[in-house]
Amino acid sequence: AQSVAQPEDQVNVAEGNPLTVKCTYSVSGNPYLFWYVQYPNRGLQFLLKYITGDNLVKGSYGFEAEFNKSQTSFHLKKPSALVSDSALYFCAVSPNAGNNRKLIWGLGTSLAVNP
Amino acid sequence: NAGVTQTPKFQVLKTGQSMTLQCAQDMNHEYMSWYRQDPGMGLRLIHYSVGAGITDQGEVPNGYNVSRSTTEDFPLRLLSAAPSQTSVYFCASSSKSGLTGELFFGEGSRLTVL
Repeated sequence: AQSVAQPEDQVNVAEGNPLTVKCTYSVSGNPYLFWYVQYPNRGLQFLLKYITGDNLVKGSYGFEAEFNKSQTSFHLKKPSALVSDSALYFCAVSPNAGNNRKLIWGLGTSLAVNP
Repeated sequence: NAGVTQTPKFQVLKTGQSMTLQCAQDMNHEYMSWYRQDPGMGLRLIHYSVGAGITDQGEVPNGYNVSRSTTEDFPLRLLSAAPSQTSVYFCASSSKSGLTGELFFGEGSRLTVL
């Protein structure tokens, strides 16, 4: 079965330190990969996506993600965390080459950035 | 630029009551969808539409109906609410032609069924 895993329910980092939120997937073909962020009591917001090309993609708010095909991973990273980055982060995968009717979502990772 | 607008933001229903969650977008997006978000369950797709007059079921469609009479609007109907439908509901839209998969979400509607 196709799936997306976010192995950490919660990630805690100190402000100014680098952060990583992990995502691995199990889908066939060449998927499109996405990260979304959800701030408390808000809807989800698109952060970045990987379609093709450079394995390192840059997105909003200083976030970036590295696509690793051999490890089927798409980890979200930021060099220096801010307290305002504290939120719920979702990884999503589209296994049908951009058909977003078939997005598969991870369960989310709660990021807490401590001052 | 309003984006995706959901109403109401909060609603309390009694078991067996019916209601409609409204969703409107002003971006001329062809694709619209409804998700529910529950603790520990992530996001689950209820119904979606790829254009006016076209709807299809997602992974958890039971108990919900949708219609798409215009490009802008995609209401979600609960015909006979059940406590299991207590959740936060999100409407999301996307442009069909872009194939980017970027979804634009509304702010959510929190529904409690007693």
